[in-house]
Amino acid sequence: NAGVTQTPKFQVLKTGQSMTLQCAQDMNHEYMSWYRQDPGMGLRLIHYSVGAGITDQGEVPNGYNVSRSTTEDFPLRLLSAAPSQTSVYFCASSSPKANIQYFGAGTRLSVL
Amino acid sequence: GDSVTQMEGPVTLSEEAFLTINCTYTATGYPSLFWYVQYPGEGLQLLLKATKADDKGSNKGFEATYRKETTSFHLEKGSVQVSDSAVYFCALSDGTGGSYIPTFGRGTSLIVHP
Repeated sequence: NAGVTQTPKFQVLKTGQSMTLQCAQDMNHEYMSWYRQDPGMGLRLIHYSVGAGITDQGEVPNGYNVSRSTTEDFPLRLLSAAPSQTSVYFCASSSPKANIQYFGAGTRLSVL
Repeated sequence: GDSVTQMEGPVTLSEEAFLTINCTYTATGYPSLFWYVQYPGEGLQLLLKATKADDKGSNKGFEATYRKETTSFHLEKGSVQVSDSAVYFCALSDGTGGSYIPTFGRGTSLIVHP
């Protein structure tokens, strides 16, 4: 099983560039989330979705957009990248019944 | 709001030593509690969980007991191995507002030396 797939694995951007981090899951999970992981800060929730067409903000949403047009996909958009967005980004999915998060392998983003 | 507090790391142990990583929580409801593990270069994966008071979650020699009276969920292992070196995250999920998106602690790095 593929589980949660994130692409790309690595990305380098220049300040002001835009890009989309892709996330797809094949487990038919209702919930999907995006986190960023920074040294000493643990995991911080950026945005999440409880179903197709429904999204909500997490702890650190500024500078990021999301949409959920299908159950499988939950892309994260950086509209104008800033050095403060240098981080490792994780996508996760879950079903409320099992209440277990399944994580992708992460995208390592550097903004110069 | 909900919060999870973990002991700061890194925790450095020799192989076969006893491990305890402390975790305490604050929640408005009756949460489920989790330990996730992150091996180098990977995403997090579930290690164990407990859904109600006095439940004990266990997996791969790790154990944690849901203590409602002390709002704690400490992770223990009797004899650690080098392969246990990873970052460990305590988390809770209580369905607040109809969402089961979990709240994570900051993580505790474990380094096991041969």
